[in-house]
Amino acid sequence: GAVVSQHPSWVICKSGTSVKIECRSLDFQATTMFWYRQFPKQSLMLMATSNEGSKATYEQGVEKDKFLINHASLTLSTLTVTSAHPEDSSFYICSASKASEIEETQYFGPGTRLLVL
Amino acid sequence: QKEVEQDPGPLSVPEGAIVSLNCTYSNSAFQYFMWYRQYSRKGPELLMYTYSSGNKEDGRFTAQVDKSSKYISLFIRDSQPSDSATYLCAMTRGSQGNLIFGKGTKLSVKP
Repeated sequence: GAVVSQHPSWVICKSGTSVKIECRSLDFQATTMFWYRQFPKQSLMLMATSNEGSKATYEQGVEKDKFLINHASLTLSTLTVTSAHPEDSSFYICSASKASEIEETQYFGPGTRLLVL
Repeated sequence: QKEVEQDPGPLSVPEGAIVSLNCTYSNSAFQYFMWYRQYSRKGPELLMYTYSSGNKEDGRFTAQVDKSSKYISLFIRDSQPSDSATYLCAMTRGSQGNLIFGKGTKLSVKP
């Protein structure tokens, strides 16, 4: 199998607080992890790509100082939304690609729904 | 023109119908094509994965890629209410490319 988990599944927080979301590959080692954001009725938009032990590569328009990504091990990546504001409310989804497969096969986590009040 | 175009639907069919879902794309460099299924408030689940042109079949699902027309399709035979979900196409240029997603087509299969 290729199972990816995310924690928490729901976050409600006050404006100005920071929120950390964890993404774990449970039964495989992930060479690369991806973070996406999905607004209602919109497609998944890639935010950043991270490889274990190196700095994340952010997509154009994504603030790297606001969305901190740490890829500490082959099974764990975290996304921290710093000083969250209501416009950051969205569905955040991570995915991971297996070390043994080509990068195109991504396995997605269940997503984390963030609501900033 | 967006890189990947997908009709968002919604598409409603009776149980047992054949469903055809499609995407068009503009970048001829895309080589890898995927279909994901996403249930409401859940992460996408990989359904089918195709490299270059051709057909691929897996149970009730068939994926087709026509690179000359820049057109990909997903067919669902004998559709079931449990197939009700949003179906996203995705594609990438190669091992260094990121996945580009369509907006997704919302499918509803009525019993």
